[in-house]
Amino acid sequence: DVKVTQSSRYLVKRTGEKVFLECVQDMDHENMFWYRQDPGLGLRLIYFSYDVKMKEKGDIPEGYSVSREKKERFSLILESASTNQTSMYLCASSERRGRDGYTFGSGTRLTVV
Amino acid sequence: AQSVAQPEDQVNVAEGNPLTVKCTYSVSGNPYLFWYVQYPNRGLQFLLKYITGDNLVKGSYGFEAEFNKSQTSFHLKKPSALVSDSALYFCAVRGYGQNFVFGPGTRLSVLP
Repeated sequence: DVKVTQSSRYLVKRTGEKVFLECVQDMDHENMFWYRQDPGLGLRLIYFSYDVKMKEKGDIPEGYSVSREKKERFSLILESASTNQTSMYLCASSERRGRDGYTFGSGTRLTVV
Repeated sequence: AQSVAQPEDQVNVAEGNPLTVKCTYSVSGNPYLFWYVQYPNRGLQFLLKYITGDNLVKGSYGFEAEFNKSQTSFHLKKPSALVSDSALYFCAVRGYGQNFVFGPGTRLSVLP
């Protein structure tokens, strides 16, 4: 069974900390994505990557960065966490053509205090 | 630009009754349309998709959706709702070569 694994289900961090959210997929997918989910706003795209070492900004990249050193791993970095980054973060992957849609991880609920 | 609307934040239906969760979209060219379901504190799970072919698409757990090109809609339906169908449902659309755009979600509550 294909899987997207996010390293943490719940995280609590302090304001100003540097935060790493890790995502690993075992499907050999080319494309990987990071979304945040907030009530009433749906899913908003933060960053995405179509290949190793490649990254593109999504709709809300401010305050975030990403790293994709290996095909199977896509990391989201909060450079200096703020309370408005408290949210559910979802990682997803897909094949290059994308006809089968995205496979999502279980999510990381991040609370910044 | 691509967009998705789910006009209802919340849908309540009695168990055993038919349910409909609405979705309309805007995209250039032919759309790829998907429905996902999310249970509490979980990621999104694929339900069904329309890429091409028959306008009525059948998916997981007895759900189906009808693609209506003239109304740019892709409503999710089920003939007989179960309490276990209670969840958050997302419609998503993409045009060729584009990333997906997700709707805001509709919370479905099936009452026993």
